[in-house]
Amino acid sequence: DVKVTQSSRYLVKRTGEKVFLECVQDMDHENMFWYRQDPGLGLRLIYFSYDVKMKEKGDIPEGYSVSREKKERFSLILESASTNQTSMYLCASSFGFRSGNTIYFGEGSWLTVV
Amino acid sequence: QKEVEQDPGPLSVPEGAIVSLNCTYSNSAFQYFMWYRQYSRKGPELLMYTYSSGNKEDGRFTAQVDKSSKYISLFIRDSQPSDSATYLCAMSEPGDGNNRLAFGKGNQVVVIP
Repeated sequence: DVKVTQSSRYLVKRTGEKVFLECVQDMDHENMFWYRQDPGLGLRLIYFSYDVKMKEKGDIPEGYSVSREKKERFSLILESASTNQTSMYLCASSFGFRSGNTIYFGEGSWLTVV
Repeated sequence: QKEVEQDPGPLSVPEGAIVSLNCTYSNSAFQYFMWYRQYSRKGPELLMYTYSSGNKEDGRFTAQVDKSSKYISLFIRDSQPSDSATYLCAMSEPGDGNNRLAFGKGNQVVVIP
């Protein structure tokens, strides 16, 4: 089974803090993604990466950055957390086109910024 | 027009009923179609995957794709309380470089015992 692990399930951070969300996948997938999910807005893509050290902006990259130093690990960074970044963050990975673009999600990280 | 439209519900049905969910889309280039199930406070899990048009059955679940109408459906037979979840449709174009999925906003289903 595909395993996408998000190291932090629940976090509470203060406004202005730097926040790191870590994600690891164990299926040697080339592609990794970060989404946020909010009620009424659905899933929105923040960033994705199709190779080590490569990244592409998604639909809502403002206020976020990412790092992919190793194939299995994709980190989401909030440089200066704000209350409007309170959300559920989902990491995902896939083989891409070779697997019909099906993606596999982690369990999610619930971030509250106070 | 949104790329993928999905009625958010909620949809409440009695146990044992058939659940019918659907999504419409506007991009005729979509070839891959997926359904994800998401339990409360969990990540979405892949439920069904279909390529192009046609039906696919897996146990109590049936996925249908009608590309001429740009319409996909998920049916759940003999629904159980454990089927209570949010169901998201997703789809994408084929080809390298098109790794992004377009998601519906999800449809909440409640199966009442």
